[in-house]
Amino acid sequence: DGGITQSPKYLFRKEGQNVTLSCEQNLNHDAMYWYRQDPGQGLRLIYYSQIVNDFQKGDIAEGYSVSREKKESFPLTVTSAQKNPTAFYLCASTPGTGANQPQHFGDGTRLSIL
Amino acid sequence: GQNIDQPTEMTATEGAIVQINCTYQTSGFNGLFWYQQHAGEAPTFLSYNVLDGLEEKGRFSSFLSRSKGYSYLLLKELQMKDSASYLCAVHGGATNKLIFGTGTLLAVQP
Repeated sequence: DGGITQSPKYLFRKEGQNVTLSCEQNLNHDAMYWYRQDPGQGLRLIYYSQIVNDFQKGDIAEGYSVSREKKESFPLTVTSAQKNPTAFYLCASTPGTGANQPQHFGDGTRLSIL
Repeated sequence: GQNIDQPTEMTATEGAIVQINCTYQTSGFNGLFWYQQHAGEAPTFLSYNVLDGLEEKGRFSSFLSRSKGYSYLLLKELQMKDSASYLCAVHGGATNKLIFGTGTLLAVQP
């Protein structure tokens, strides 16, 4: 079955450390997205990519970086510059960028600070 | 600015009907989505409205009024498994991105 796989499910980061969250999809979707979800807040867009080798900043990109070297993969790095990284991170994809295309989400990665 | 409002929490009884409201103010509009999210899990797509009116899909229906910036999700014949957060999201035309509300946590009681 096609879908989006995020790993790991739980991740712990030490102070000053960079960590990378994996997101892989086998849906043949062009567009991929990273969201952050905090209690009491809606999903907030970190970065998105509409096509391979291209990506744009979302609303809260500071302290994060991404790459899109392959269509299937859109890893997110949480850098030491992100001072409040504890959150639930969700990766999503859509076939293209049409407004009527629902986003397919992965199961998320919960990141905590040690 | 961009703003989406939903009630934070609602409680309903098994077998009953519940309506979850969503109001929005966005710079553009290309459609409104409803997602269901169980605790610690991925959001799953429920419905999409771009034209005014009611869209029915089994026990779930969604309504849109673009002139009022208003939508609701109607859940009928509630089941315990419907206990979840319900997320309203607007596709803002100018930004071509989804803007999410904070979600409504629905608790279904026996």
